[in-house]
Amino acid sequence: DTAVSQTPKYLVTQMGNDKSIKCEQNLGHDTMYWYKQDSKKFLKIMFSYNNKELIINETVPNRFSPKSPDKAHLNLHINSLELGDSAVYFCASSRGRLRSYEQYFGPGTRLTVT
Amino acid sequence: AQKITQTQPGMFVQEKEAVTLDCTYDTSDQSYGLFWYKQPSSGEMIFLIYQGSYDEQNATEGRYSLNFQKARKSANLVISASQLGDSAMYFCAMREENQGGSEKLVFGKGTKLTVNP
Repeated sequence: DTAVSQTPKYLVTQMGNDKSIKCEQNLGHDTMYWYKQDSKKFLKIMFSYNNKELIINETVPNRFSPKSPDKAHLNLHINSLELGDSAVYFCASSRGRLRSYEQYFGPGTRLTVT
Repeated sequence: AQKITQTQPGMFVQEKEAVTLDCTYDTSDQSYGLFWYKQPSSGEMIFLIYQGSYDEQNATEGRYSLNFQKARKSANLVISASQLGDSAMYFCAMREENQGGSEKLVFGKGTKLTVNP
């Protein structure tokens, strides 16, 4: 059973399009995150939701809009895609407060904008 | 200012030898946590080991151990008896607490480890 799943795994699209990435966790965790990993492998947090409520928004352009329909799902919608949005996007979840190994990552979605 | 510094962009080690991957951190918090993650070429992020700031002993998990030196603010990862499958990117991360109690992981830039046969 996959703990944190993301779809799609690969996404190739053209500039200006709108796309969504879906994330689901079956761990019963309260908190979910989106991270972006750039071409230099640098990982940076974008958003965090706790029980469907946005708690972290790290100066991400408002073309990125996360949506959490329930605490097991956190989707990422991106409007008007730009070349610089090409990256790997990771979803993660944790049991409320971060302790020990509690943050689990999804497999990542490689987004390529052409 | 960079909060997590990994000074080694790349490291090489012979199979079966031990290797140390460096990580220094910057925080004024008394309570914090440090994590190491492995990212193989397949791309997934794999949790390896965790060290809490109040933990008195260095963390160990199988062949992984964390050399935690609080006064120096360093949390180096030691991999013993390297295996070819250890070739990957390794990320050091620190738990950071925002105002309001929300938490996130702040990552270093990573070290690419190559294990040679």
